[in-house]
Amino acid sequence: KQEVTQIPAALSVPEGENLVLNCSFTDSAIYNLQWFRQDPGKGLTSLLLIQSSQREQTSGRLNASLDKSSGRSTLYIAASQPGDSATYLCACYAYSGAGSYQLTFGKGTKLSVIP
Amino acid sequence: EAQVTQNPRYLITVTGKKLTVTCSQNMNHEYMSWYRQDPGLGLRQIYYSMNVEVTDKGDVPEGYKVSRKEKRNFPLILESPSPNQTSLYFCASSLSTGNEQYFGPGTRLTVT
Repeated sequence: KQEVTQIPAALSVPEGENLVLNCSFTDSAIYNLQWFRQDPGKGLTSLLLIQSSQREQTSGRLNASLDKSSGRSTLYIAASQPGDSATYLCACYAYSGAGSYQLTFGKGTKLSVIP
Repeated sequence: EAQVTQNPRYLITVTGKKLTVTCSQNMNHEYMSWYRQDPGLGLRQIYYSMNVEVTDKGDVPEGYKVSRKEKRNFPLILESPSPNQTSLYFCASSLSTGNEQYFGPGTRLTVT
């Protein structure tokens, strides 16, 4: 069964710094990988989806990479801002049988950007 | 606006009193799913639906029921809620299984 790990669980950085969030997964036969942002008490906002055939995806200051062979994905945030403070979740789609792909989540990295 | 909506957003109830949390999407998505989020355990899938009248269990289905009579709606039913079902619940939808999922705002349920 797929397991997704995100380290560190929490990260605090000064404003303006570039940073990398890490995600590792145990089963390299993933279909897609999705990064989400969750603000306290709120729902999940999709940031980026990387298909298994892709190596990376970019959206504004965000860049996500995928290395299936090593079971790793990274989310790079450029020039961090206080508004980036949130919990970032990594989730993998893997085949679960009967034509269905199940989404398995990591426990997230809580990011604090200090002004 | 394309969205997934859930109601109610907050609910406090007592053990054993049946309740339903509604979920609706306006994107004509085939795939819908329910998750619960608990501290230290993360998000776990409860049930999912590949299309109308097609539902299946996720990782933590015990104590829950679902139905998918219309494409846009996917209600979550707790026939006899217990305190261990106190949690934050999310509904999500996608064009089809394996594609980008869009999440609702969440329903915070407390069972006393």
